[in-house]
Amino acid sequence: GQNIDQPTEMTATEGAIVQINCTYQTSGFNGLFWYQQHAGEAPTFLSYNVLDGLEEKGRFSSFLSRSKGYSYLLLKELQMKDSASYLCAVRDDSNYQLIWGAGTKLIIKP
Amino acid sequence: DVKVTQSSRYLVKRTGEKVFLECVQDMDHENMFWYRQDPGLGLRLIYFSYDVKMKEKGDIPEGYSVSREKKERFSLILESASTNQTSMYLCASSPLRGYNSPLHFGNGTRLTVT
Repeated sequence: GQNIDQPTEMTATEGAIVQINCTYQTSGFNGLFWYQQHAGEAPTFLSYNVLDGLEEKGRFSSFLSRSKGYSYLLLKELQMKDSASYLCAVRDDSNYQLIWGAGTKLIIKP
Repeated sequence: DVKVTQSSRYLVKRTGEKVFLECVQDMDHENMFWYRQDPGLGLRLIYFSYDVKMKEKGDIPEGYSVSREKKERFSLILESASTNQTSMYLCASSPLRGYNSPLHFGNGTRLTVT
């Protein structure tokens, strides 16, 4: 079956680094997306990985290992505004659609 | 900047009512989607559309229908609302059928069916 797993909740300290993991089992693969969703707001696109390795975008980086069915989102120099849910989604190449994880709620403490 | 606008942020409806959720995007995107978001679950696709007057069922279409009469507008219809349709509904659009095209989401409509 199709499955995406993420931790339900994580807590980190302002200024620190946090890694949010996502593991997936899907019948096909055509890329993995990370989205950020603040409470009561729309999800917004953060990153897309289709090849193995690390993609860096400012304070945020995303890593993919296709052989392991694994990705992580790395957030550096955490700020209070990073408190949000982070959603992992895999593009299925059999029907083009996205398969979504349940999201990880990240709580930042001062 | 792409804007996806959902007509209502909050709606309260009674069981059996017909409910219309409207979504408009302003960037000429071909693809439009309706998802529902429930606590502890990933986003679930209800219906999607790649073109005007075209629609395809997603993973959970039962109890819903859609309409796309114009490219910019995609409507979700609950023919006879039930309490298990209480949820957050998210509309999204994307520019083309590229694998790396991200979705652009509206702010959501929180629907409560009593």
